[in-house]
Amino acid sequence: EVQLVESGGDLIQPGRSLRLSCAASGFTFEDYAMHWVRQAPGKGLEWVSGISWKSDDIGYADSVKGRFTISRDNAKNSLYLQMNSLREEDTALYYCAKDSGYHLIGSYCDYWGQGTLVTVSS
Amino acid sequence: QSVLTQPPSVSGAPGQRVTISCTGSSSNIGAGYDVHWYHQLPGTAPKLLIYGNSNRPSGVPDRFSGSKSGTSASLAITGLQAEDEADYYCQSYDSSLSGSVFGGGTKLTVL
Repeated sequence: EVQLVESGGDLIQPGRSLRLSCAASGFTFEDYAMHWVRQAPGKGLEWVSGISWKSDDIGYADSVKGRFTISRDNAKNSLYLQMNSLREEDTALYYCAKDSGYHLIGSYCDYWGQGTLVTVSS
Repeated sequence: QSVLTQPPSVSGAPGQRVTISCTGSSSNIGAGYDVHWYHQLPGTAPKLLIYGNSNRPSGVPDRFSGSKSGTSASLAITGLQAEDEADYYCQSYDSSLSGSVFGGGTKLTVL
């Protein structure tokens, strides 16, 4: 059974940094691209970032480009999101999602975690 | 505003058919990239509903169907049931943004 468990969410002040983690199990992690998708309170889904299976293709939403960094450790079956210079508008539930394939273009998310909440507020 | 445009809400009575549209542009749906659909029940994570424009994952009833034409796509739900009440999102890839994009979401109410 595919399981994605996010962690690292917290209440944090604007301008600070936070690192989210996603522990994956139930599939061969190194064979699939992975994504972070967020959902602000009462709002829709927003794709944040994606990383291919070998980390050779990485993409970011314009809203986080230059502030967030996605990475993965295939040996640890883990996905990460380093979030710097956090803003109040980054407040959201952050989902880790498994891609259906190994690259980012044209693919979809076939499994999702339950999310970890990031609240940016002074 | 979202890159993919969906109606904020749709509604229908039990047993009826409803459709949800997803309108994009020449850099996403119109460029030939597939459209995928998710539904999200309140307080839960999104779940894949339709992939590759019209394919259903195992376990999804055939009451749900997807189609794509030009720069738009549609999700149709027939035989509406109370448990279909949820938020529905379309998703595709955008070559100008070099990333995935979601629609703004559509809230389906079963009357």
